[in-house]
Amino acid sequence: SQQGEEDPQALSIQEGENATMNCSYKTSINNLQWYRQNSGRGLVHLILIRSNEREKHSGRLRVTLDTSKKSSSLLITASRAADTASYFCATASQVEGAQKLVFGQGTRLTINP
Amino acid sequence: DAGITQSPRHKVTETGTPVTLRCHQTENHRYMYWYRQDPGHGLRLIHYSYGVKDTDKGEVSDGYSVSRSKTEDFLLTLESATSSQTSVYFCAISSLAPNEQFFGPGTRLTVL
Repeated sequence: SQQGEEDPQALSIQEGENATMNCSYKTSINNLQWYRQNSGRGLVHLILIRSNEREKHSGRLRVTLDTSKKSSSLLITASRAADTASYFCATASQVEGAQKLVFGQGTRLTINP
Repeated sequence: DAGITQSPRHKVTETGTPVTLRCHQTENHRYMYWYRQDPGHGLRLIHYSYGVKDTDKGEVSDGYSVSRSKTEDFLLTLESATSSQTSVYFCAISSLAPNEQFFGPGTRLTVL
């Protein structure tokens, strides 16, 4: 079963606006990761936030993590047409040094020029 | 795609036939993973490997087996393909956790 639930399932905004996507999960995690997927392509890693971190930034990306509420959010500031993609959160648990990721169903983001 | 290739990229097969998908990496990463992606389900982990000959089951392993005889190759086998295994299959690699995973381009498998 899916651990991550993402909200909204689809988001359409104008170029230059900020986009916020939310992710909720059910069990304890080691870390939470966000990935982007362009249509017909593989996933690309965006950012990893550990369970003892509350906020992390990378360029125009800002991720927050609230372990008490079991939720995370991804903010993309000053959106561009090239940000159009699907975005997935994934919760990670570690086994033998490997990471078992459980993905949400994703948010389809469309940036309108 | 971070030195990961998948073959074939597209395959159409019939119910009951065996199918093997190959993932090949040039990054020398220890950990390798197979996922399937279906509409409405996101990505789900099928099997993973934490070293040569060391593999374990993921969330949706029924009907699938894997093998890893060398660091660079991770094979996913459908012993007898069923229509429910029609999906897009992604391979991923990573170094020691916690760390990002690098994904291959995917294999689109259709089972008729």
